[in-house]
Amino acid sequence: QKEVEQNSGPLSVPEGAIASLNCTYSDRGSQSFFWYRQYSGKSPELIMSIYSNGDKEDGRFTAQLNKASQYVSLLIRDSQPSDSATYLCAVNSRLAGNQFYFGTGTSLTVIP
Amino acid sequence: EAQVTQNPRYLITVTGKKLTVTCSQNMNHEYMSWYRQDPGLGLRQIYYSMNVEVTDKGDVPEGYKVSRKEKRNFPLILESPSPNQTSLYFCASSWGAYNSPLHFGNGTRLTVT
Repeated sequence: QKEVEQNSGPLSVPEGAIASLNCTYSDRGSQSFFWYRQYSGKSPELIMSIYSNGDKEDGRFTAQLNKASQYVSLLIRDSQPSDSATYLCAVNSRLAGNQFYFGTGTSLTVIP
Repeated sequence: EAQVTQNPRYLITVTGKKLTVTCSQNMNHEYMSWYRQDPGLGLRQIYYSMNVEVTDKGDVPEGYKVSRKEKRNFPLILESPSPNQTSLYFCASSWGAYNSPLHFGNGTRLTVT
């Protein structure tokens, strides 16, 4: 079983819609959760971090964490064509020596 | 400007010719790491370092070496590159605390023929 799993997509949404990206993880000792956006051929860029159960909002982005279900999600409201990218879920576990584990990413396309 | 700098951005080489990819960060981060990214496989960790003179293997260390003689620098060495090491490589750094995100360099696209 992979440490972090994401639906690879591709996920297509129309402009202005809500895009929902999901991620599950296997290590119950995981404490920190991050969402990165990566454009093709570019480096991953941090867009959200979340550490406790519940929702965290930052502009059009909302991260949701449910540690009991080992599930973290990212909602993008009012999706724009510039949001078209691959979104990587990353999990950090102190029990694993503060190692980061990445999902393989979900490809999102926002259709104008 | 806080950043992680990798060089070179692009590198084409031949099998067996030793090469080094440099990585430097100016944020005084303790933790540094190298990843390779291949289609369908995502980011896979090669080596990481928790501090100066402390390095450890990641998930795919075979064929790579690293060193951490100074806090800011973490070079990746391929002693005898092979075509299966053709990939996109990223260096990253963080403070090393559990709530500290990774900051990535711009990447090095390596082709080994």
